[in-house]
Amino acid sequence: DAKTTQPPSMDCAEGRAANLPCNHSTISGNEYVYWYRQIHSQGPQYIIHGLKNNETNEMASLIITEDRKSSTLILPHATPRDTAVYYCIVRVPHLYGGATNKLIFGTGTLLAVQP
Amino acid sequence: DGGITQSPKYLFRKEGQNVTLSCEQNLNHDAMYWYRQDPGQGLRLIYYSQIVNDFQKGDIAEGYSVSREKKESFPLTVTSAQKNPTAFYLCASSIGQGAPSTNEKLFFGSGTQLSVL
Repeated sequence: DAKTTQPPSMDCAEGRAANLPCNHSTISGNEYVYWYRQIHSQGPQYIIHGLKNNETNEMASLIITEDRKSSTLILPHATPRDTAVYYCIVRVPHLYGGATNKLIFGTGTLLAVQP
Repeated sequence: DGGITQSPKYLFRKEGQNVTLSCEQNLNHDAMYWYRQDPGQGLRLIYYSQIVNDFQKGDIAEGYSVSREKKESFPLTVTSAQKNPTAFYLCASSIGQGAPSTNEKLFFGSGTQLSVL
């Protein structure tokens, strides 16, 4: 699996958009980009995933560059409740899932949203 | 509500004692996982199960055991052989069999903090 690089921490003012970058320069053509977040002392929460096209759901938007070597997770109107560690993961999805192709959670980006 | 339930929230283990962490899901998912998280670090896979009555070791299985007798349940036992058990333990599940990209969409429980007395 391709490795990812994320800044260790970021700050964002409440109500502003939070843009979290992720570099995955060795990504291969069939690898998806997944984003999870973990609020302190809770289990990680799935946010969004994508392959090539930009994706949007009720939580966030995912912008993937044309060469797919980097991506940005956008939280459009950040609130203090969005303060969490955000993980960017690159994976080849497999028909039966499971940890034969286990998701590798690095140390992520700690996003602090200031009121 | 559908989801994953872990219990207890906090657990204390005495020297030489085995303890079991519970994980139950009502999402009808085939695959279930146990991860361990140490402070300031990412998650490390202990065991996983893709189907009932089958499970596989992850990266750090030594000192742990699991069972998968029911689809809904995947308990983790931390044995006395695990010399450094203090950590945050997370259980997760995924569809297991279905559209490939959705198989990496894991649903996590709220975790169990295990400490050694």
